[in-house]
Amino acid sequence: QVQLQESGPGLVKPSQTLSLSCTVSGGSINSDGYYWSWIRQLPGKGLEWIGYIYHYGSTYYNPSLESRVALSLDTSKKQFSLKLSSVTAADSGIYYCAREVHLTTWFDFWGRGTLVTVSP
Amino acid sequence: NFMLTQPHSVSESPGKTVIISCTRSSGSIADNYVQWYQQRPGSSPTPVIYDDDRRPSGVPGRFSGSIDTSSNSASLIISGLKTDDEAEYYCQSFDQSPVFGGGTKLTVL
Repeated sequence: QVQLQESGPGLVKPSQTLSLSCTVSGGSINSDGYYWSWIRQLPGKGLEWIGYIYHYGSTYYNPSLESRVALSLDTSKKQFSLKLSSVTAADSGIYYCAREVHLTTWFDFWGRGTLVTVSP
Repeated sequence: NFMLTQPHSVSESPGKTVIISCTRSSGSIADNYVQWYQQRPGSSPTPVIYDDDRRPSGVPGRFSGSIDTSSNSASLIISGLKTDDEAEYYCQSFDQSPVFGGGTKLTVL
């Protein structure tokens, strides 16, 4: 059973960069056929896909966030990471990492989520 | 990108059947697979239907999915409702990137 666990600061100051990592266990981060994704849930709102990274290093981002997002991968640590720059209070919410099945684009395993608050 | 529209809330009694709809705003619902996720309060979403009508391992047969091209919508059908089914349900599909519906709160009373 694949497990994902988010980690990172729960409080970020406005205009700074939000940085989170996701550690994968119970499966290989190098498996073909899966993308490693970040999804967020803002207060009172639904789910918003942020972007994904493939184990070869290729990335794809939500166009609405693309100018502020960067994903990276460390296969030796079985981790992938999110950086979101120039954050504002509107970026406060729960951030999930998830595994996306490539060909049919569904998210089969999710982390428990981590709450990030943007505040001075 | 298209939008996926869900009712804000539905309610039904235990033992009954409920249908939650998800309407695609443009393009055909059949163009891309539809998934459904259950999210209980304080928990992360978990898939209950993928590829329109397939159930992940461990999801009971009370959960089923379908698509209807005439209404350009997908449906999540939950039969034999249990109080434990009370949760938020999200549909999801794909255009140039993953798209989620706004979620439907299911109340079982």
